[in-house]
Amino acid sequence: SQQGEEDPQALSIQEGENATMNCSYKTSINNLQWYRQNSGRGLVHLILIRSNEREKHSGRLRVTLDTSKKSSSLLITASRAADTASYFCATDGTDKLIFGTGTRLQVFP
Amino acid sequence: ETGVTQSPTHLIKTRGQQVTLRCSSQSGHNTVSWYQQALGQGPQFIFQYYREEENGRGNFPPRFSGLQFPNYSSELNVNALELDDSALYLCASSPAQQTGANVLTFGAGSRLTVL
Repeated sequence: SQQGEEDPQALSIQEGENATMNCSYKTSINNLQWYRQNSGRGLVHLILIRSNEREKHSGRLRVTLDTSKKSSSLLITASRAADTASYFCATDGTDKLIFGTGTRLQVFP
Repeated sequence: ETGVTQSPTHLIKTRGQQVTLRCSSQSGHNTVSWYQQALGQGPQFIFQYYREEENGRGNFPPRFSGLQFPNYSSELNVNALELDDSALYLCASSPAQQTGANVLTFGAGSRLTVL
């Protein structure tokens, strides 16, 4: 079963625009991670935010976490065509990560 | 430092057959997890191996089994293949057996098609 649900399911933007995707989850967490996947290949870790953090930055990425609403958002600023990929949130479960359904981002040059 | 490698990258099987997928973990990582990703879905946890023992299993039937070897590499075996087993199978390694705190390093996956 999926713990998280990403919203929107798909997002199309122009290069230079910002992309925001949201993740909602069901149970209490210790931390939340975001991963990126290119064209059905392996996932690549982007950023981890702990439950006692509200916001975290990494380069053009900004992640927020609201544990009271059980939600997180990933913002990619000044997007590039190379950012085209699927993005997944993942929460910690017992001995495993539980992934959401993903947001497919298309960035047009 | 080598990453996670998986083989084969693609394979086609027929219903009822058996398949073995292989994974070499990243250097220094001793925990291996396997995930199944159906088309358009997020990865679903199959099981995890630590010190050659299964440590945690998702909602998959017993015909999904695995092994971890002393060098931390791993195999995923699926018996009596069904059409719904068609998916991308992802192997991921991590430095230690911790609950969710570790970042997973994924391989590129093995795409299985069952006809």
